[in-house]
Amino acid sequence: RKEVEQDPGPFNVPEGATVAFNCTYSNSASQSFFWYRQDCRKEPKLLMSVYSSGNEDGRFTAQLNRASQYISLLIRDSKLSDSATYLCVVNAGGKLIFGQGTELSVKP
Amino acid sequence: DAEITQSPRHKITETGRQVTLACHQTWNHNNMFWYRQDLGHGLRLIHYSYGVQDTNKGEVSDGYSVSRSNTEDLPLTLESAASSQTSVYFCASSDQGNTEAFFGQGTRLTVV
Repeated sequence: RKEVEQDPGPFNVPEGATVAFNCTYSNSASQSFFWYRQDCRKEPKLLMSVYSSGNEDGRFTAQLNRASQYISLLIRDSKLSDSATYLCVVNAGGKLIFGQGTELSVKP
Repeated sequence: DAEITQSPRHKITETGRQVTLACHQTWNHNNMFWYRQDLGHGLRLIHYSYGVQDTNKGEVSDGYSVSRSNTEDLPLTLESAASSQTSVYFCASSDQGNTEAFFGQGTRLTVV
């Protein structure tokens, strides 16, 4: 079993749609969690950190469920510019482990 | 501004040759990482370091080595390049603790 698992997609959605990505992790000792965005195989860039209380940044909401070892990302009112691959990242003892990534394509 | 840079950005080499990919960061971060990215696999951890003289094997370390002689640099060496090592390689660094990582722009390596 992979340490971090994501549905690879692709998710094809129309502009304005709401889309949710899920991620599960296997190491219960994991200490911090992130969502990164990657465009066209360029370097990944931090989208947002994920906190137990849940956090929101504009159209993006991230949630963490430690009991279920589950992380989610919700994107509301999708824009064409949201098309990218979204990577779930888990930090266990300073080591960053990436999920395979979920590809999102937002269509006009 | 602090940054992390990789060189070269693109390289073609022959099977069996030794290749070294450079990674240099000016964030003064203790943690540095090397990943490879292949279609269908996401980013897989090759080696990582938590500080000078510290190196650790990651998920896919066979055929690769690293050394950490200073805080700024973590070069990745392919001892004898193989076609299976054709990939995009990303270097990253992060501060101590459970903080985000910053990535270099990547090196596209082709082994022929």
